Amino acid sequence: DAKTTQPPSMDCAEGRAANLPCNHSTISGNEYVYWYRQIHSQGPQYIIHGLKNNETNEMASLIITEDRKSSTLILPHATLRDTAVYYCIVRGQRSFQKLVFGTGTRLLVSP
Amino acid sequence: DVKVTQSSRYLVKRTGEKVFLECVQDMDHENMFWYRQDPGLGLRLIYFSYDVKMKEKGDIPEGYSVSREKKERFSLILESASTNQTSMYLCASSLVSGNTEAFFGQGTRLTVV
Repeated sequence: DAKTTQPPSMDCAEGRAANLPCNHSTISGNEYVYWYRQIHSQGPQYIIHGLKNNETNEMASLIITEDRKSSTLILPHATLRDTAVYYCIVRGQRSFQKLVFGTGTRLLVSP
Repeated sequence: DVKVTQSSRYLVKRTGEKVFLECVQDMDHENMFWYRQDPGLGLRLIYFSYDVKMKEKGDIPEGYSVSREKKERFSLILESASTNQTSMYLCASSLVSGNTEAFFGQGTRLTVV
């Protein structure tokens, strides 16, 4: 499994864009990049995933570099409720692929 | 609404007890996972299962076992609970395809005294 590296913490002002980086330099061609977040005292929640193209949904945008060695999760207008730990995960397409989390980035959104 | 349900939100057990943590999913998912989460260590995979009666060790299987007798249910067993197994335990499930997300339960906070 490709490993990921994320900064331990980040701050963001409410209403501004939050850009969360992730390095995955050992990613292989058939591995997806996933993002989850965990709000205090809850189970992790899926946000978005992608293979090589940029992706956008109602929660966030995912930008993957052309060499696929890094990605950025963008929350376009952060709110206080976006305060959470954000996990970047790489996962392959094989049937028996385990899902491995790192320690994530703790995002604090302030008024 | 999709759901992963863990049998208890909070649990207190004594050292040496045999502890069962139950997880049920209603999405007909093949994959199920058990994690523990401790401050500063993130989520660590204990065991996972990709089919009934199939199991694979995760990163920290020592002191734990699992059971998957039915597709919808995945049980984590602490054969003889110890204080260092005090933790938040999270269950998740997903389809077998790597291109789909996992769904998590709300977690069981286990305290071993």
